[in-house]
Amino acid sequence: KAGVTQTPRYLIKTRGQQVTLSCSPISGHRSVSWYQQTPGQGLQFLFEYFSETQRNKGNFPGRFSGRQFSNSRSEMNVSTLELGDSALYLCASSLSGREQYFGPGTRLTVT
Amino acid sequence: KQEVTQIPAALSVPEGENLVLNCSFTDSAIYNLQWFRQDPGKGLTSLLLIQSSQREQTSGRLNASLDKSSGRSTLYIAASQPGDSATYLCAAQDRDDKIIFGKGTRLHILP
Repeated sequence: KAGVTQTPRYLIKTRGQQVTLSCSPISGHRSVSWYQQTPGQGLQFLFEYFSETQRNKGNFPGRFSGRQFSNSRSEMNVSTLELGDSALYLCASSLSGREQYFGPGTRLTVT
Repeated sequence: KQEVTQIPAALSVPEGENLVLNCSFTDSAIYNLQWFRQDPGKGLTSLLLIQSSQREQTSGRLNASLDKSSGRSTLYIAASQPGDSATYLCAAQDRDDKIIFGKGTRLHILP
């Protein structure tokens, strides 16, 4: 089975722009979770989608949003980018939200 | 609110030694605890997952234990090798499926 894929792998944006990241889960997995990883804060949970519905949400501002499509692929959008949004964004898929399998991540740099 | 702590933040060990990585969590009402490995700039690789009803899991040279009453988990690595050098993260999943990560232990195996 193919693993979790994330595109793009690297991205450079300027402050104020918006960005969309994509995640394709393992075939058959219906849950996709998104995480932000920074050196200072570590891995922080953003949100989880299950069958196209947001099921859980972390403590991030409304600039961070996501969605899931009927084929379980998920996108994450960040609007009005700030320098502090520079991070590795990881997505993880699972059958039910339990054991999670992570993708390679998207490295976002905001200048 | 669940908090997950990993101490030490970094560890250097000569090749061939056995070692133990520690993880503590504040809320014992967890669904499972998972150990991950992360290589620099990469995503997370799942190593072991322990369900709340289990006490330990083993895979090759790795053994993870879980003591919910004391809020602790350990990852034991036998006969360490330079290829074991990486950051090891533990993550506690609660009954609402939220996953809280520790900040990790950076392990360096000295050849």
